[in-house]
Amino acid sequence: DIVMTQSPTSMSISVGDRVTMNCKASQNVGSNVDWYQQKTGQSPKLLIYKASNRYTGVPDRFTGSGSGTDFTFTISNMQAEDLAVYYCMQSNSWTFGGGTKLELK
Amino acid sequence: EVQLVESGGGLVQPGRSLKLSCAASGFTFSNYGMAWVRQTPTKGLEWVASISTGGGNTYYRDSVKGRFTISRDNAKNTQYLQMDSLRSEDTATYYCARLVLRVMDAWGQGASVTVSS
Repeated sequence: DIVMTQSPTSMSISVGDRVTMNCKASQNVGSNVDWYQQKTGQSPKLLIYKASNRYTGVPDRFTGSGSGTDFTFTISNMQAEDLAVYYCMQSNSWTFGGGTKLELK
Repeated sequence: EVQLVESGGGLVQPGRSLKLSCAASGFTFSNYGMAWVRQTPTKGLEWVASISTGGGNTYYRDSVKGRFTISRDNAKNTQYLQMDSLRSEDTATYYCARLVLRVMDAWGQGASVTVSS
């Protein structure tokens, strides 16, 4: 199985911060990584697909980059409504990272 | 608006069966592959099974092969997950998801399954 290792597991942030999180695949997955946002009590919501493509309606403060085994997800100007857990997923064989939880400082 | 609504969750004893349904609306169901994903606090998100547009191709994670069956009825805009020989480790919230080029672009609200005596 392809293992997706996300870091950090949590971050304490302030509104307006630039937030960056990473995801490392245990083998080359090309550009087949997606990023999801899950707020408390809700289902995951697709934000970025195929490493760097913003899904319909997703604000441009959310960006993704990377290929091969190393991927990065960035929120350029953190908003209060962005408090959530963020997951990466490789879609070659559908495995998820463990998540990065964003909390307010 | 794309909507996926799961139903059929509940409490079931180990070794028994349960069938989840996912009713789709707001898009042409027969044009999309579909999937089931489960989530627990300890194991996180896990892909469970996927099915092709016509239902002819199905895929399963190893731990559910031979016990779970994914299916769909395109006339009813519904996909299913038949879960047999349930184990305590199958306890989770089960999500239905739509697939677009292997990307899960829409998710249901989830159905809770608890396997316990």
